[in-house]
Amino acid sequence: AQSVAQPEDQVNVAEGNPLTVKCTYSVSGNPYLFWYVQYPNRGLQFLLKYITGDNLVKGSYGFEAEFNKSQTSFHLKKPSALVSDSALYFCAVRPLITGGGNKLTFGTGTQLKVEL
Amino acid sequence: GAVVSQHPSWVICKSGTSVKIECRSLDFQATTMFWYRQFPKQSLMLMATSNEGSKATYEQGVEKDKFLINHASLTLSTLTVTSAHPEDSSFYICSAHRGEGQPQHFGDGTRLSIL
Repeated sequence: AQSVAQPEDQVNVAEGNPLTVKCTYSVSGNPYLFWYVQYPNRGLQFLLKYITGDNLVKGSYGFEAEFNKSQTSFHLKKPSALVSDSALYFCAVRPLITGGGNKLTFGTGTQLKVEL
Repeated sequence: GAVVSQHPSWVICKSGTSVKIECRSLDFQATTMFWYRQFPKQSLMLMATSNEGSKATYEQGVEKDKFLINHASLTLSTLTVTSAHPEDSSFYICSAHRGEGQPQHFGDGTRLSIL
């Protein structure tokens, strides 16, 4: 069975500083990996995905994530945080197998707080 | 592109009533739709997977007679919470998936409050 760990419930960072939101995963075979962001009382917005190819994936709003197979990690990063980035971030995984049903397994979420 | 519309966004109703939530993919055909439940400050819990024209697949512990799912077309799925009770109060979110390697696209959720 697949699983996702987001070890930090909350990350605080000053505006303009780089941010990292951590994610590690466990899955049989190769993974599809995703990051989503959720603002209060809203659904999830897709930020970026990794399937194959370049380990560094660039996504929406200046976010990027690096796939590290040996460490089974997919940390989300942004070089310069904005107050408007404050939200709840979810990492998700599904195995790269046909007939896998496309079901995602989500992490528990990390609340990002960017302060002036 | 890839817009998913979910209605209503907020429902308050009395205990015992049934509530229907709609999920539509507006600009693409969804091979699969998913229904999730989210409790405050928690992650999403998958309730069921819905494919057009076939019965939904429910996750373990989710009552299929309580949470009726109909997937009438490639752009519409509905979740009906039957005879709702206060413990059914939650944030329900749908998503639509349009193919292999593509991300799920989420609706904005429905806040259900049962009095």
